[in-house]
Amino acid sequence: TQLLEQSPQFLSIQEGENLTVYCNSSSVFSSLQWYRQEPGEGPVLLVTVVTGGEVKKLKRLTFQFGDARKDSSLHITAAQPGDTGLYLCAGTPLGGAQKLVFGQGTRLTINP
Amino acid sequence: DTEVTQTPKHLVMGMTNKKSLKCEQHMGHRAMYWYKQKAKKPPELMFVYSYEKLSINESVPSRFSPECPNSSLLNLHLHALQPEDSALYLCASSPQQGGGRDTQYFGPGTRLTVL
Repeated sequence: TQLLEQSPQFLSIQEGENLTVYCNSSSVFSSLQWYRQEPGEGPVLLVTVVTGGEVKKLKRLTFQFGDARKDSSLHITAAQPGDTGLYLCAGTPLGGAQKLVFGQGTRLTINP
Repeated sequence: DTEVTQTPKHLVMGMTNKKSLKCEQHMGHRAMYWYKQKAKKPPELMFVYSYEKLSINESVPSRFSPECPNSSLLNLHLHALQPEDSALYLCASSPQQGGGRDTQYFGPGTRLTVL
């Protein structure tokens, strides 16, 4: 079983602080996506990373794919209450065809 | 346009009812997916259609019956469901680029309640 271990599962911080969410596996992934999901809604794609060592930025969010393509991180700078939500990492294992493997999610709360 | 639409948004049905969930995308994607998501859990894959043919069935009970009438549409027919089938049902699509570098785009989901 190819697992993605996401941490932390819960994070509550004050507005303006920085945070990092981690997604780790012992398996190699062809690509990895980060999604954000609001309650009762579908996951919304934030980014896809495909190249080992790749770094992508989306405003205050920075995404990194590990050199060995086994791990990824999401860093948020100067968090805002609007960043509150469930963050999911999901990846396609090498040779895993169309099956996405999901992490358990990080429930992030930014307090004003 | 990176939109996947799903109808209805909410559905309440009895255990003897027959209903259908619908999903549509106009991004030219050739793979479409059904997922089931329970509260506080990540989505679980149910079915995958690739070029309008069923390519993956994750041992889903036969009371769930998928259908792909064309490359833009995906249906999930529901019959004789159980209360434990209550969940958020998500549709997704992807370009099917190959090489494992496909990105899946999700719809807003249908919140299903089985009484």
